[in-house]
Amino acid sequence: QKEVEQDPGPLSVPEGAIVSLNCTYSNSAFQYFMWYRQYSRKGPELLMYTYSSGNKEDGRFTAQVDKSSKYISLFIRDSQPSDSATYLCATYLSGGYQKVTFGTGTKLQVIP
Amino acid sequence: DTGVSQDPRHKITKRGQNVTFRCDPISEHNRLYWYRQTLGQGPEFLTYFQNEAQLEKSRLLSDRFSAERPKGSFSTLEIQRTEQGDSAMYLCASSSGTSGSIDEQYFGPGTRLTVT
Repeated sequence: QKEVEQDPGPLSVPEGAIVSLNCTYSNSAFQYFMWYRQYSRKGPELLMYTYSSGNKEDGRFTAQVDKSSKYISLFIRDSQPSDSATYLCATYLSGGYQKVTFGTGTKLQVIP
Repeated sequence: DTGVSQDPRHKITKRGQNVTFRCDPISEHNRLYWYRQTLGQGPEFLTYFQNEAQLEKSRLLSDRFSAERPKGSFSTLEIQRTEQGDSAMYLCASSSGTSGSIDEQYFGPGTRLTVT
């Protein structure tokens, strides 16, 4: 079993839709939970992160972590064609360096 | 700040050949990471440097792989006797080593290796 599981999609939605991306993880020791966005032929870029459980909002993006169920979510409101990319959830243990464990990524296409 | 750069962007090689990739991190970032990403998968950790010291290597990094960061600045990743299974995107990332909060890793564009 992988440490981080993510539905690979692909996911295709019309412009303006609400998008829900989800991951589960197995190691209860993970403390930081991140979402990266990766455009085609580019490296991943950090979109947002949360520490431990809770919600975090940044513009049209909301990240949620439920440590009791080991569930990570990213919601995108009013999705735009420019949001079309692969979204990777990721986690790491607190302390020390960041050995980041990534999910497989979900490819999102927002259709104008 | 020009970001993390990697060279070459794409490498095609024949099975059995050696290849070397270079990564130039963001200046003054003391941490450098290598990841491998295959099609349809997320990046997988390969190795990590703190300045010039290689502090951890993944079990994915077989003895055909070697990474160096000789002066704590740029890094090289060499693959000897390449195999078709080595075909992947090799990503480099760097971070400043900030403590107390997330130490954001900034990724380069990657080197895509194709072994024929």
